[in-house]
Amino acid sequence: DAKTTQPTSMDCAEGRAANLPCNHSTISGNEYVYWYRQIHSQGPQYIIHGLKNNETNEMASLIITEDRKSSTLILPHATLRDTAVYYCIVGRQSTGANNLFFGTGTRLTVIP
Amino acid sequence: GAGVSQSPSNKVTEKGKDVELRCDPISGHTALYWYRQSLGQGLEFLIYFQGNSAPDKSGLPSDRFSAERTGGSVSTLTIQRTQQEDSAVYLCASSPQGNRGNTIYFGEGSWLTVV
Repeated sequence: DAKTTQPTSMDCAEGRAANLPCNHSTISGNEYVYWYRQIHSQGPQYIIHGLKNNETNEMASLIITEDRKSSTLILPHATLRDTAVYYCIVGRQSTGANNLFFGTGTRLTVIP
Repeated sequence: GAGVSQSPSNKVTEKGKDVELRCDPISGHTALYWYRQSLGQGLEFLIYFQGNSAPDKSGLPSDRFSAERTGGSVSTLTIQRTQQEDSAVYLCASSPQGNRGNTIYFGEGSWLTVV
C-alpha cells in the first residue's frame, strides 16, 4: 500500500475552514484515499473517502488532485470539537488483504 | 451492541505476566483489525483477519504476540511475558464487506500498562 505524508501539526481559527493536505505520490490506480480522525483518548473515527472525484458529506469535503498524488481534507467551519489528529491513508477497496497503515497524522488545533 | 466493543478498557499487569485483550466486532463485519498506539504515536498495524482467509500477521512485533478469531466474530489478542514497552492502547476495528470497503470502525481501545 502507498504511504502518505502529512504535516505534523496545524492551527485553525474557530469558524474558519481547516484545509489539511496529504501527499500520496505513490498511490496506485485501485487505491482509495481515506481520512480518519482521532480525538484525544478515543478510537479513530471515519470521516470520508474517495477515489478520483471530489467527495462531500456532512462532516467534510475531500479534494483529490487530477493526478491523484495529493489530496486535501476540508472542514468548512472548524469548531473546537474538531481539535484532533487527522490521518490520511490509502488502501485498496477489496475483500483481500487490505490492511491500512496509519502514520502519525496531522494534529489540528482549533483556536477560539 | 452497535459498535466495536473491547475489554478490558484498562489493564495494569506486572512485567512477565500474560494478558488477553478481547474484541467483539460489529455484527456481520467480515474484516477485523488490531492496532497498537503508544503514547503520542500514530497507529501501528498488528494483525488483520478477513473472513475465513489466513490472517495477515505481518505487523506483530514479536512471537510474544498472537491473535485468534473464533467463529469469524470475537477476537482475542494475547501478549505473553509482557514487557514495559508493550504499554500502549490496543485498538480493535472491524469493517464490512461491500461498497464501504475499507471504511473501518474502531473500538475505544484497551489501555495496557505494564509495571
